[in-house]
Amino acid sequence: SQQGEEDPQALSIQEGENATMNCSYKTSINNLQWYRQNSGRGLVHLILIRSNEREKHSGRLRVTLDTSKKSSSLLITASRAADTASYFCAMGGEGNTPLVFGKGTRLSVIA
Amino acid sequence: DAGVIQSPRHEVTEMGQEVTLRCKPISGHNSLFWYRQTMMRGLELLIYFNNNVPIDDSGMPEDRFSAKMPNASFSTLKIQPSEPRDSAVYFCASSQGTSGYNEQFFGPGTRLTVL
Repeated sequence: SQQGEEDPQALSIQEGENATMNCSYKTSINNLQWYRQNSGRGLVHLILIRSNEREKHSGRLRVTLDTSKKSSSLLITASRAADTASYFCAMGGEGNTPLVFGKGTRLSVIA
Repeated sequence: DAGVIQSPRHEVTEMGQEVTLRCKPISGHNSLFWYRQTMMRGLELLIYFNNNVPIDDSGMPEDRFSAKMPNASFSTLKIQPSEPRDSAVYFCASSQGTSGYNEQFFGPGTRLTVL
């Protein structure tokens, strides 16, 4: 299965600290996306990194991709209470196959 | 744009009853996805459509589940008869294509409780 595995399953940090979430996958991809889900809401796209990219930034978000290790990480710097949510990686395969989502990391940022 | 619209937002029904979930994708998007989310199994892709045609329904758990997309602006997911193990949050998402390069836009979900 292409399904990703996020690590850790749950993370609790203090406001202002950095949060790092990891995602590992099994087969080749052409891109990897990260999504956020607030409690009781649908998933929202955060960032996409292509397989030929190693790092990408968007505001306080930094994503890395290591295709040799089949892994990606999402770093949220200077976290805020509003960052409390679940974060999912989603793998984009070849051709017209749809995204495959991981099980997510639950992030709690304590004010 | 109103985003992906789902109805109802909450549904409570009794075992054996028919349940119909509805979805209106974002205008201009030609791909639509139905997901089920539970604590145990995470986010599962049930079925997806491209240009109103079902492409892959291998994720549909049982014959009790069926989905239709009669036109580009409407899709339904039906469970008949419903069972308690169907309790979950069901999401509809749309995108501009089925490719994994396309960002998916999710609706707010329908929380289904089968008693």
